Amino acid sequence: GAGVSQSPRYKVAKRGQDVALRCDPISGHVSLFWYQQALGQGPEFLTYFQNEAQLDKSGLPSDRFFAERPEGSVSTLKIQRTQQEDSAVYLCASSISRGEGNQPQHFGDGTRLSIL
Amino acid sequence: GNSVTQMEGPVTLSEEAFLTINCTYTATGYPSLFWYVQYPGEGLQLLLKATKADDKGSNKGFEATYRKETTSFHLEKGSVQVSDSAVYFCALTRNAGGTSYGKLTFGQGTILTVHP
Repeated sequence: GAGVSQSPRYKVAKRGQDVALRCDPISGHVSLFWYQQALGQGPEFLTYFQNEAQLDKSGLPSDRFFAERPEGSVSTLKIQRTQQEDSAVYLCASSISRGEGNQPQHFGDGTRLSIL
Repeated sequence: GNSVTQMEGPVTLSEEAFLTINCTYTATGYPSLFWYVQYPGEGLQLLLKATKADDKGSNKGFEATYRKETTSFHLEKGSVQVSDSAVYFCALTRNAGGTSYGKLTFGQGTILTVHP
């Protein structure tokens, strides 16, 4: 399809395990964002890529969180040594803009991460 | 910093009732304002946007006007349908310049349920 694709849709992991979440943005979209959405809350910004460059990682909650977009298209969010507070829905969004702020972001369906 | 405050929900209405969901914001400069909607089991979708003061965004019978003097962007619809049942998020981005890169700041979301 032509939308943002995220995988897996659901991920269950034991505390302490590492997880990797994948995002396929819309083809040609320069900007890619990751957000974290806790239950009953609005999404919160994690990190931003413009092509392959990670220009803002101010929202990453700890050094256990790492994101990459090596070829400027697919992105992976990795969480090491997962903790229960990492349980949330992780959303990926892409935009054709270069971060001007007035263009809409297109969201994937998210990955629901549950840490046991 | 930037913040968005939405009226607390959930909101329950009968079909054909009038809908208002309040949204106020705090931001430096001149943000762009958005309403996103999340239908059950689906990802976030852009509903409407406004990029400067006094602009009115509209889509699918929903409207919101960018009011700089009251820092508000209330969502309205004259006659709701059962199919409008969803979670609605008000959000903003800072416009061009600086290091915001267009990242979205969301409100906490308002659950709307419409009964036949």
